Amino acid sequence: GQQVMQIPQYQHVQEGEDFTTYCNSSTTLSNIQWYKQRPGGHPVFLIQLVKSGEVKKQKRLTFQFGEAKKNSSLHITATQTTDVGTYFCGGTQGGSEKLVFGKGTKLTVNP
Amino acid sequence: EAGVAQSPRYKIIEKRQSVAFWCNPISGHATLYWYQQILGQGPKLLIQFQNNGVVDDSQLPKDRFSAERLKGVDSTLKIQPAKLEDSAVYLCASSKSGRLNIQYFGAGTRLSVL
Repeated sequence: GQQVMQIPQYQHVQEGEDFTTYCNSSTTLSNIQWYKQRPGGHPVFLIQLVKSGEVKKQKRLTFQFGEAKKNSSLHITATQTTDVGTYFCGGTQGGSEKLVFGKGTKLTVNP
Repeated sequence: EAGVAQSPRYKIIEKRQSVAFWCNPISGHATLYWYQQILGQGPKLLIQFQNNGVVDDSQLPKDRFSAERLKGVDSTLKIQPAKLEDSAVYLCASSKSGRLNIQYFGAGTRLSVL
């Protein structure tokens, strides 16, 4: 079945440093979505990528979808303490609406 | 616009007891999802409804879990009987129909089975 792997599982950075999390699928994805879950909170939608090679930016966040539509990345420039949380990617395959999530990358930021 | 409502927020039960969770999706959202999120893991889809019909329940442990969405609006998820490994956060999400639509999550119900 479809599997989505995320690395790293944990990342601890100093405030101001950059951060990147990677998402890899065993199969070609139709689209990929990124969510952020604050400690004790619920997943909140960040972005959706659909096209091969797509790059989208949200202020300090840059999202990429691989050319083969099997991988994606989220890069945060100059992290802030408000970036703390777990970042999940979720992908759909074929015509299915089913979103398969990775295990997430937990980001902690030292002020 | 009101978000996805879930209740209760927390529940503590003993193993072999029954428990039910309730979810009211965002108005107008045809698709409703129940996820199980075990500590340190990503959400795992248990069941997906399109209006009042089941689209995907392949990962629902049907010997103990059941869910319904009778009128195509709110939904309940039941566990009977509960096991220790059911301890998790149960998240409900909703979206407009269509596979490119964003999922909006509720705050979840944190279940502890003792």
